[in-house]
Amino acid sequence: AQSVTQPDIHITVSEGASLELRCNYSYGATPYLFWYVQSPGQGLQLLLKYFSGDTLVQGIKGFEAEFKRSQSSFNLRKPSVHWSDAAEYFCAVGGRSGGYNKLIFGAGTRLAVHP
Amino acid sequence: DTGVSQDPRHKITKRGQNVTFRCDPISEHNRLYWYRQTLGQGPEFLTYFQNEAQLEKSRLLSDRFSAERPKGSFSTLEIQRTEQGDSAMYLCASGSSDRHYEQYFGPGTRLTVT
Repeated sequence: AQSVTQPDIHITVSEGASLELRCNYSYGATPYLFWYVQSPGQGLQLLLKYFSGDTLVQGIKGFEAEFKRSQSSFNLRKPSVHWSDAAEYFCAVGGRSGGYNKLIFGAGTRLAVHP
Repeated sequence: DTGVSQDPRHKITKRGQNVTFRCDPISEHNRLYWYRQTLGQGPEFLTYFQNEAQLEKSRLLSDRFSAERPKGSFSTLEIQRTEQGDSAMYLCASGSSDRHYEQYFGPGTRLTVT
């Protein structure tokens, strides 16, 4: 069955520090992978996506993610965090074969940023 | 592109009442999705439309839930005889069939059942 695991429920970093949020997925075929961000009271905003090709993908707001097939991972990174990055981050997988186009989300990682 | 909109943003209802939510997708998108998000969890898929056809429904969508997209534009999600367990954020997303799996989310409707 398809699933997404985000091992870290909460992460706290200092402003200006680097960030890595972990995501592991389970899916039989090559997945479509996404990272979304959700600020309090807001919907989800798409940060970046991986479909194929270059395994390092760039997104908005200075974020990037790397697809590692051997590790079934799609970790999100940012070299220098800003206070405005404090939010909840969701990793999601979409199936490419069979089924329809639903996304399966992880439980999220809540990021706090200290000044 | 005005984004996905949802109405209302908040709804408080008493157990046993019926509620209806509306979603207006991005105008050129032919796909529309409903998800439910409970506290501390990621969104869970409920149902999916391509144009006016409802193509998939999750097992989460009990008989008390019904969704429509009558003209392939806006969609409604109705919950009949609400229960306290229905309290959640209901998210709508839209996408295009030529942009595989990209989904753009609305702000959600937060339902509280008392």
